[in-house]
Amino acid sequence: EPEVTQTPSHQVTQMGQEVILRCVPISNHLYFYWYRQILGQKVEFLVSFYNNEISEKSEIFDDQFSVERPDGSNFTLKIRSTKLEDSAMYFCASRYMRAGGAETQYFGPGTRLLVL
Amino acid sequence: QKEVEQNSGPLSVPEGAIASLNCTYSDRGSQSFFWYRQYSGKSPELIMSIYSNGDKEDGRFTAQLNKASQYVSLLIRDSQPSDSATYLCAAGGRDDKIIFGKGTRLHILP
Repeated sequence: EPEVTQTPSHQVTQMGQEVILRCVPISNHLYFYWYRQILGQKVEFLVSFYNNEISEKSEIFDDQFSVERPDGSNFTLKIRSTKLEDSAMYFCASRYMRAGGAETQYFGPGTRLLVL
Repeated sequence: QKEVEQNSGPLSVPEGAIASLNCTYSDRGSQSFFWYRQYSGKSPELIMSIYSNGDKEDGRFTAQLNKASQYVSLLIRDSQPSDSATYLCAAGGRDDKIIFGKGTRLHILP
């Protein structure tokens, strides 16, 4: 069964460093998402991406964050200058149809980011 | 601010009994509703989606939606120890983002 994959599974970085989290969505999906979950808290929407551009973003997704689909398969989240509070599990998700359609979002296994 | 509210639990249910999980949402424009199961340290796994008022059954799971009351529930029949997890209620609207609740921890007692 097709699935969303993410790399790395764990990432440790120093505060102020740049990190890139990678995702390979399900191959025929058209809509891509990043979420984060701080330990013990709820899953929070960061950004949605369709047709090579951001379609929605939350207030969390500030100028330190960017997303890119550099080729036909990868979808990346970059954090330019990490802060301690960026430590969280980051989930990628993908969907074939837009919200309101009969499809839902399928989540990858996540990347656990720890900023020291 | 769009919110999805759930009782954090833990909800303890004997094995074989029915577990009932509830959720309310604030945005009347929400169109799609989801229940995800999340084991500790793992990603959310879709259990059920529901889009119209009424009940939707899939195996041991039944999702119920009442848009007038802005209420979503999930029933798990014949609860098994493997059902022990955190259950996340989520709502989606026209704006292509899903809002999650904090989740209800369910503990099935052997």
